[in-house]
Parts: sequence; C-alpha cells; structure tokens
Amino acid sequence: SQELEQSPQSLIVQEGKNLTINCTSSKTLYGLYWYKQKYGEGLIFLMMLQKGGEEKSHEKITAKLDEKKQQSSLHITASQPSHAGIYLCGADKGLGGSNYKLTFGKGTLLTVNP
Amino acid sequence: GAVVSQHPSRVICKSGTSVKIECRSLDFQATTMFWYRQFPKKSLMLMATSNEGSKATYEQGVEKDKFLINHASLTLSTLTVTSAHPEDSSFYICSARAGALGEKLFFGSGTQLSVL
Repeated sequence: SQELEQSPQSLIVQEGKNLTINCTSSKTLYGLYWYKQKYGEGLIFLMMLQKGGEEKSHEKITAKLDEKKQQSSLHITASQPSHAGIYLCGADKGLGGSNYKLTFGKGTLLTVNP
Repeated sequence: GAVVSQHPSRVICKSGTSVKIECRSLDFQATTMFWYRQFPKKSLMLMATSNEGSKATYEQGVEKDKFLINHASLTLSTLTVTSAHPEDSSFYICSARAGALGEKLFFGSGTQLSVL
C-alpha cells in the first residue's frame, strides 16, 4: 500500500516567516492533493498536482511536485495566523488512472504566532 | 467552488442505537462519494466508496453490515452506523468529486460521533 510521510509533524513559526511542509511517497504519485483542516472540521481543498515538475500557487501558498512524482512540498510565504491549521497531503490510490480514493499523510500541525 | 454539505456536525448516541450521517453535493452531481473516518490526531482512513444506484465498495477491514451506505441520488449519500458502540466514536467525513471542475475532490465538514 502507498505510504505518505509528512514532515515536519508540527511547526511553530512567527507571523511573517516563510515555511515549507514536505510530503514523500513510497510509490510514484498519480495525483497529489493538499488540504487544510481545522481540528474537528472538514478539509479545505488547496491544490492538486498531477504532472512531474508541476507547480501551483494560490495566494501565498505554493505547492510543487518533483519530477519523479514521489515528493511534494507546500510553501507558505509571509505566514499569517489565518494559515494556522493542519495541512494534509493525500495521494490518489489509482495505479494507472485516478480513482479518487485518497491515502493521507498524518498531517502537519502549523501554528503561527502573531 | 463546489460545496459538500454534511449533517449532522455532531451526534451523541447511546450504545446499541443506529446513527445516520448525510452527505450532500450542493451545486453539482456526484456519481461517486467517499467516506472516511479520522481518529484524534490520526490521519483520515478511507472506509468505502459510495456509488449512485449500486452497492458501495468497502475497504479491507471495514464491516459493510456495520457501516451501511446508501447513494440513492446523484446528490446524496448516507452512512448509517448500525448498533453503535463506543469504539465507533470517531470523526466521519465524506468527499465527492466535482467532475465539471476537473480533478478536484471536495470534502464535507465532517461529523463527530460520540457513542456513550
């Protein structure tokens, strides 16, 4: 089965600082999703990456998928308290095509201190 | 963007009773929805795939008679936890694919189930 390792498990930064969260897969990723979750709440879709070398940005958040499609990083520029939450990466379990069933990493808890 | 609504957000029930959780796609049709559960400080685990008009497919280790799934329409899937026990207490969350929006998967707001 596909395993996703997220690092770090938790992160505390000062407001305004940049940060990076990594997601590494034991297998080639077909589709890689990034979500944000507040504890006990639903998941907010951030970005989905599919192609090797792909990079997407939304506001101050940038996600990249490496060429080998086994590692993704999420970078937040000039962090704000509103960025605080749990960041989850999820990989599509499809082997040759997407089946939309996701395996998730354990998450990275981000705290942004004002 | 697409919205997935889940109800109720919280439910407390007695051991032995059944609880139904609804998952609705509000502004799109979803032929397939997915049900996950999440234990405190743990990741989400896929339980089953809900298919409109046909039987759900369950992941290994998930009891289909325990977790009944019905997907009667293109916008509604329900998960019924039957004869709930304290070990069923968990955060349940559904997702749906909005095909018209590409490969995005949207999640509901989740249901916190507590079985006493």
